[in-house]
Order: sequence, then structure tokens, then C-alpha cells
Amino acid sequence: GQSLEQPSEVTAVEGAIVQINCTYQTSGFYGLSWYQQHDGGAPTFLSYNGLDGLEETGRFSSFLSRSDSYGYLLLQELQMKDSASYFCSPYSGGYQKVTFGTGTKLQVIP
Amino acid sequence: NAGVTQTPKFQVLKTGQSMTLQCAQDMNHEYMSWYRQDPGMGLRLIHYSVGAGITDQGEVPNGYNVSRSTTEDFPLRLLSAAPSQTSVYFCASIPQRDTGELFFGEGSRLTVL
Repeated sequence: GQSLEQPSEVTAVEGAIVQINCTYQTSGFYGLSWYQQHDGGAPTFLSYNGLDGLEETGRFSSFLSRSDSYGYLLLQELQMKDSASYFCSPYSGGYQKVTFGTGTKLQVIP
Repeated sequence: NAGVTQTPKFQVLKTGQSMTLQCAQDMNHEYMSWYRQDPGMGLRLIHYSVGAGITDQGEVPNGYNVSRSTTEDFPLRLLSAAPSQTSVYFCASIPQRDTGELFFGEGSRLTVL
């Protein structure tokens, strides 16, 4: 089967750095994707790690370790607008079902 | 290029009624899927399709039917709506290139009374 684990809630201060961890168990694994969802909105794609290591996109970075079945999303210089839910999702090349966990609700406080 | 389009955006049904949520994409994506999202439950996969004529069940398929007669369209049918199907429904598709990205529609908010 497939399983995903993320912390349910994280609170961080504006301007700080926060790391959201994700552990997964799945078959047919190609890589790990991350999505952001604001309340009332649709999920939007943030990043994809097809290889082990760190991928950086502006203030956001994502890391993958296949040997540990582990990844994380790192948000730097937090802004109030980063308050949202964040989902990790194992990706299987578009040939198998794509599932999500329950996500991590990030609250950024002043 | 309109992306993934879902209709309707809002719908209220009575228990036992049937309806179809429409999903269309104009990007020639092979993979399409339907999710439902309830408070605190994340995104749960209902049905998915890896190409025209091919559909498969996800995590929560009961009470829903799908078909995929064309690459562009992937409608979700509720045959006899129940209050437990009150939720926000998202349609998503994957491009053929291996970018790890799902393109989501804006969502359809369904209330069953």
C-alpha cells in the first residue's frame, strides 16, 4: 500500500525559517512533489524532486532522500501570505494514481 | 489554453438526486483525476484515468462513476447523492512531460441536503 506522514500543524514567526517533513511509503516512485493550498483555493504546485538532494526555487527549497523515503519543504523568510496548507505527494510518472496525505497547516504569526 | 476547467463551481442537491461534475482540459494531458476534500481530511482520490477509455478507482470510489471517452473530458457522476458527499471536489491532470506536477481545476463545492 501507500502511506504518507506529515505534521498536521506548524506555527512559525514572520521572517523565520520553517521545515515541513514528509515520510512516504509507495511503489513505482519517481519523485516527490509539493503543493500549497490557501483556504478556499485550489492546490498549486510548488516543487518537484526527481533526484536526491536539494532543489531551490526562490524562498522555497525542497529536499529528497530516496534511501530514507523522506523529504522536506523549507520555507525561508516567512511571510504572512505563506500561511496555508502544504501537501507532499509521491509521483509515479503519470501512469499510476497520485495521492496526497492530510497536509500540514502552516500558520505564520507576526 | 484554459487549463483545467470545472463546472459548476457551486451546487446544492437534495438527497437522492443525481448530477455530473464536469472537468475539461485543453492541454492534451493523458492523466486526469478527481479528488474530494473535506475539512481535516486532505485530498482523497476518487477515480483516475491514464488515458481515453481507461479508468480506475482511487481511495474513495463508492457512490461515484466516471468515464473517459475523450482525452479532454473526465466527468464525475453522482448517481444518488447523499449528505456524506458534501465536499469540495477538485479535478486535476498531469502533462506527458515528467515534471511531477498536477494541474488543478478551481474546484466545485457541492452541498447535499
